[in-house]
Amino acid sequence: DADVTQTPRNRITKTGKRIMLECSQTKGHDRMYWYRQDPGLGLRLIYYSFDVKDINKGEISDGYSVSRQAQAKFSLSLESAIPNQTALYFCATSDLSSVTNTGELFFGEGSRLTVL
Amino acid sequence: QKEVEQDPGPLSVPEGAIVSLNCTYSNSAFQYFMWYRQYSRKGPELLMYTYSSGNKEDGRFTAQVDKSSKYISLFIRDSQPSDSATYLCAMSYNFNKFYFGSGTKLNVKP
Repeated sequence: DADVTQTPRNRITKTGKRIMLECSQTKGHDRMYWYRQDPGLGLRLIYYSFDVKDINKGEISDGYSVSRQAQAKFSLSLESAIPNQTALYFCATSDLSSVTNTGELFFGEGSRLTVL
Repeated sequence: QKEVEQDPGPLSVPEGAIVSLNCTYSNSAFQYFMWYRQYSRKGPELLMYTYSSGNKEDGRFTAQVDKSSKYISLFIRDSQPSDSATYLCAMSYNFNKFYFGSGTKLNVKP
């Protein structure tokens, strides 16, 4: 099983609908991130969380919200989806506790969202 | 101006060629530099990590950082079809947030 699991992997929805993307991890990491990937724009940070009680906005948080339900779970919501939120969304985790830390991000396999 | 700039390619080379991938950046506070490899329909995976300036070699891969020029490179020697992927540079100044390039798509032809 994957260490970072995203559901759903693919979703097609309509403008105005509420959508939730879920992420769960078995790596035991405290830090979790949501990124969005668009062609030509790379990975852009939406929200990040360093522990269960910590939520921080990234560079493109407008139109999105998140919930850190537990150390292992971090969900991303689009309250009212719009077509320009069509993208590939990635959840990632990292851990700074290791003495050999490289700051490595561990990514899920992505959730492809299409908003019509 | 984006904090990290990367040529999106695509870059197409014959098997066995030396590949050079590059990124430039604007924030002189960056001190941690990474290259991620992303295969189609997969999440990115860390390929190389370098702290501050200098070179790092791992098998066929060499990462170079020139902080004076704000320029980082990834070299792939004896490129293989299995190297065909999108390569993303990333950097950070404190491991709290990471700034990614747009990615370069590489195709190695057999």
